[in-house]
Amino acid sequence: DIQMTQSPSTLSASVGDTVTITCRATQTVGSWVAWYQQKPGRAPKLLIQTASTLQSGVPSRFSGSGSGTQFTLTISSLQPDDFATYYCQQYKADSTFGQGTKVELK
Amino acid sequence: QVQLVQSGAEVKKPGSSVKVSCKASGGTFSIFSISWVRQAPGQGLEWLGGIIPLFNTTKFAQKFQGRVSITADESTSTAYLDLGSLRSDDTAMYYCARAAGSMNIDLFFDYWGQGTLVTVSS
Repeated sequence: DIQMTQSPSTLSASVGDTVTITCRATQTVGSWVAWYQQKPGRAPKLLIQTASTLQSGVPSRFSGSGSGTQFTLTISSLQPDDFATYYCQQYKADSTFGQGTKVELK
Repeated sequence: QVQLVQSGAEVKKPGSSVKVSCKASGGTFSIFSISWVRQAPGQGLEWLGGIIPLFNTTKFAQKFQGRVSITADESTSTAYLDLGSLRSDDTAMYYCARAAGSMNIDLFFDYWGQGTLVTVSS
């Protein structure tokens, strides 16, 4: 099974900050990585697919990069609505998710 | 607009089984795979498996092999998750999710159900 190790588990930031979340795969997954945002009591929401393609309707302050085994999600100019938990997913072979990163208000 | 509506909360005894449904509307059901993803309280997301309704093709995470069944009824555009031999650590919110492309289970998910809470307790 391909494991996804996500870091950090918690990130404290202020409105306007730029934050970066990292996901590392235990074997190469090409660009088959997606990122989701989840708020308490809600289902996850797709932000980015194929490592760097922004889903329609998602603000351009979200961006993704990487290939192979190392991937990043960057949120530029953090907005109040962005405080949430973020997950990476590999879908090269089955699906596995990272452990999640909670972005909280500093 | 695609919508996935799941069945209501369940409380089950250890050792029993649970069946959760996911009814799709607003799109073509048969060609898009439906996966089941669970989330234990305060924990992350875990994929259990998926199905392509048109072919009844299924895939399961190794961890759940032999304990999970996923089926689909094209006539009602409904997918089902059956999880057996329930344990307390199966207590979780169970989500169905639709793959964003056709004919593939290994994909990202663009539509999600609202979740079904399954509680396993004696």
